[in-house]
Amino acid sequence: AQSVTQLDSQVPVFEEAPVELRCNYSSSVSVYLFWYVQYPNQGLQLLLKYLSGSTLVESINGFEAEFNKSQTSFHLRKPSVHISDTAEYFCAVSADYGQNFVFGPGTRLSVLP
Amino acid sequence: GAVVSQHPSRVICKSGTSVKIECRSLDFQATTMFWYRQFPKQSLMLMATSNEGSKATYEQGVEKDKFLINHASLTLSTLTVTSAHPEDSSFYICSARSTSGRPFYEQYFGPGTRLTVT
Repeated sequence: AQSVTQLDSQVPVFEEAPVELRCNYSSSVSVYLFWYVQYPNQGLQLLLKYLSGSTLVESINGFEAEFNKSQTSFHLRKPSVHISDTAEYFCAVSADYGQNFVFGPGTRLSVLP
Repeated sequence: GAVVSQHPSRVICKSGTSVKIECRSLDFQATTMFWYRQFPKQSLMLMATSNEGSKATYEQGVEKDKFLINHASLTLSTLTVTSAHPEDSSFYICSARSTSGRPFYEQYFGPGTRLTVT
């Protein structure tokens, strides 16, 4: 079975500052890794994913995440955040092709003016 | 493209009544739909997986007689909470996966339905 840990339940940060949201996972098999974003009262949107290949993956809105197999981590980073990045961020893993996701508990990112 | 809708977005019902939540894929056919439950400030917990035309597969601890799932067509799945109680109050989110041949991670989420049982 897989599990996901997001150590920070809340991360407040000032606008234009850098941010890192941490994600660690445990699994006995190879996994696929994802970051989803949820804006208030909305469903989840896929932010970025790691399936294979380059361990650094990027999204279209400036976020990036790096898969570190030895540390079983997939931390999300952005060099300069905007007010509009305020949302809940979920890390997720999936170990079986075509099967389900296991979500972490989420990290609430609050960007302050 | 790949839009999933849920109806209603919010519903308040009295304890003991049943409520139906619809999940629709608007511009694609979904062979598989997933139902999640999200408690306040917590993560999503998978409740069940439904495949069009077959019975849903429920996760351990989820009462299938209480949470009835029907996936009668490639664009519609419904979740009926029967004999609702206040502890069933939660945010219910569905997601839909496109027909076979598409990447498994292309799972599109609906906006969610907030159920309040009084």
